[in-house]
Amino acid sequence: ETGVTQSPTHLIKTRGQQVTLRCSSQSGHNTVSWYQQALGQGPQFIFQYYREEENGRGNFPPRFSGLQFPNYSSELNVNALELDDSALYLCASSLGGRGQDQPQHFGDGTRLSIL
Amino acid sequence: DQQVKQNSPSLSVQEGRISILNCDYTNSMFDYFLWYKKYPAEGPTFLISISSIKDKNEDGRFTVFLNKSAKHLSLHIVPSQPGDSAVYFCAASARSGGYQKVTFGTGTKLQVIP
Repeated sequence: ETGVTQSPTHLIKTRGQQVTLRCSSQSGHNTVSWYQQALGQGPQFIFQYYREEENGRGNFPPRFSGLQFPNYSSELNVNALELDDSALYLCASSLGGRGQDQPQHFGDGTRLSIL
Repeated sequence: DQQVKQNSPSLSVQEGRISILNCDYTNSMFDYFLWYKKYPAEGPTFLISISSIKDKNEDGRFTVFLNKSAKHLSLHIVPSQPGDSAVYFCAASARSGGYQKVTFGTGTKLQVIP
């Protein structure tokens, strides 16, 4: 069973630039969620994708956007980067749908630093 | 508004003793609760979960207790081992428009002393 993988591991950008982070979900999982984790905080929910559509969003501005592909992998795009966007970005996959709640399984994250 | 709170930033326990990590929540719509463990430079690892229809779930050395009336859950680790030293996150989820939204606490750093 292949776990959740994220790329790149680390990334350095400057203010105003755009960034794309990638995530491959665990085999058999059809739902991907993205989180932002600032230092000393818990992960904060950005949005979730199920069957290639965004089906839930946290308190993040529209410059945070995403995609999910037919193989359930996903991208997180952030435009017009700000210093406060410096954080660990985590991707989590799960088996979604209207059935019993399932735990989300996380990748190791992408550490994004904005200069 | 912090809907999931872990009021103890850190906890130290002797090896072999019980570790008790606590978590409080405010949103009565939460119906599924989880604990994750996180080592440095790794993503959170799922440990154990509990549905709101239960008050206890056990998996090996790990037991989660849920007190719905107090909006409180706890994770017990018995016996504690040095390898358990990590940051532990409590998480709670609610169904919203058909999707499962998960809210995390700020974490408790557990140190198990050999």
